[in-house]
Amino acid sequence: AQSVTQLGSHVSVSEGALVLLRCNYSSSVPPYLFWYVQYPNQGLQLLLKYTTGATLVKGINGFEAEFKKSETSFHLTKPSAHMSDAAEYFCAVTPVGLLGNEKLTFGTGTRL
Amino acid sequence: DAGVTQSPTHLIKTRGQQVTLRCSPKSGHDTVSWYQQALGQGPQFIFQYYEEEERQRGNFPDRFSGHQFPNYSSELNVNALLLGDSALYLCASRRAHEQFFGPGTRLTVL
Repeated sequence: AQSVTQLGSHVSVSEGALVLLRCNYSSSVPPYLFWYVQYPNQGLQLLLKYTTGATLVKGINGFEAEFKKSETSFHLTKPSAHMSDAAEYFCAVTPVGLLGNEKLTFGTGTRL
Repeated sequence: DAGVTQSPTHLIKTRGQQVTLRCSPKSGHDTVSWYQQALGQGPQFIFQYYEEEERQRGNFPDRFSGHQFPNYSSELNVNALLLGDSALYLCASRRAHEQFFGPGTRLTVL
């Protein structure tokens, strides 16, 4: 079974400061990894994803994340926070394999 | 191109009642998944539909059932509602390994 741990249910940063949201996963094999953002009273929007290839992935709104297999981590960063970044952020994983098994397992979220 | 749409946006029911939520996937997407997001929690996978069949199911009781129509739209049905069923219900449609989410239906059970 897969699981996701997001350290810190709330993170506060000043505008212009570095944003770092932590995500660690547990999986028997490296999964596909995702970060989603949720604004109040809205659904989830994909920020970025890692499937294969380069371990540093860039997403929308200036966010990026690095897949570190040895640390089973996929932390989300942004060099300079903006007021509009205030939202709930969810890390999620899905098994690697045949299409048809894309159940997403989410962390509990971090409110920025 | 319209995204994933869900209806209704809000719903209030009483314990013991039944509810049906609806989802239309993005154009060209043939797989629909449903998630339950309780307040302050991450979404939890309910089930996934492909080719009008339930392909995968999460840890939810049989009170939760679904259907997929030939046009790929989907319904989520919940019978014998409990207070604990109050949540945001999210629908997602899939392209490759990426899932696109709708805005959700907020269900309140009184």
